[in-house]
Amino acid sequence: GQSLEQPSEVTAVEGAIVQINCTYQTSGFYGLSWYQQHDGGAPTFLSYNGLDGLEETGRFSSFLSRSDSYGYLLLQELQMKDSASYFCAVDNYGQNFVFGPGTRLSVLP
Amino acid sequence: KAGVTQTPRYLIKTRGQQVTLSCSPISGHRSVSWYQQTPGQGLQFLFEYFSETQRNKGNFPGRFSGRQFSNSRSEMNVSTLELGDSALYLCASSPISGSAGELFFGEGSRLTVL
Repeated sequence: GQSLEQPSEVTAVEGAIVQINCTYQTSGFYGLSWYQQHDGGAPTFLSYNGLDGLEETGRFSSFLSRSDSYGYLLLQELQMKDSASYFCAVDNYGQNFVFGPGTRLSVLP
Repeated sequence: KAGVTQTPRYLIKTRGQQVTLSCSPISGHRSVSWYQQTPGQGLQFLFEYFSETQRNKGNFPGRFSGRQFSNSRSEMNVSTLELGDSALYLCASSPISGSAGELFFGEGSRLTVL
């Protein structure tokens, strides 16, 4: 089976950089995705790592290391609108996505 | 391009009733999957349909069922509702199964069971 772990909460100030970690125990997967969900909203896709290494998309970057069973989402130049829940998810060989429990990010002024 | 549309957005049912939720995927998307989101369990996979066939199923009781129509629209049904079925039910579509890690989610149907 697949299981993922994330910190439940992270707090940072506007303009700062924050890293949200995701560790996993899986039997294998295609890649690691990250989603953002604002309260009352739909999860929206942020980033995907099919291969080990760093992927950069604007202020957001994501990293994957399969050898360490570890990934992270890096958010730079934090803005108030980044306050949301962030989920990592593994693509279980196209069968389904297994999501982590989510990390609630609070950005303070 | 219109996004994923789910109806109804909110509904209240009582124990023992049944409910049907609807999902219209993004035009051209053939894969539709359903997830249950609760504060305690996070997002849990229910099932996935592709070209009217259920290809994968999560670990939920048989009271949870679904189907997909020829136009890729999907419905899920929950029979004999229990209090624990109160949750946000999210539908997600993608062009094909597991498309580069990206799912397109609807805003969900929030079910409250009294």
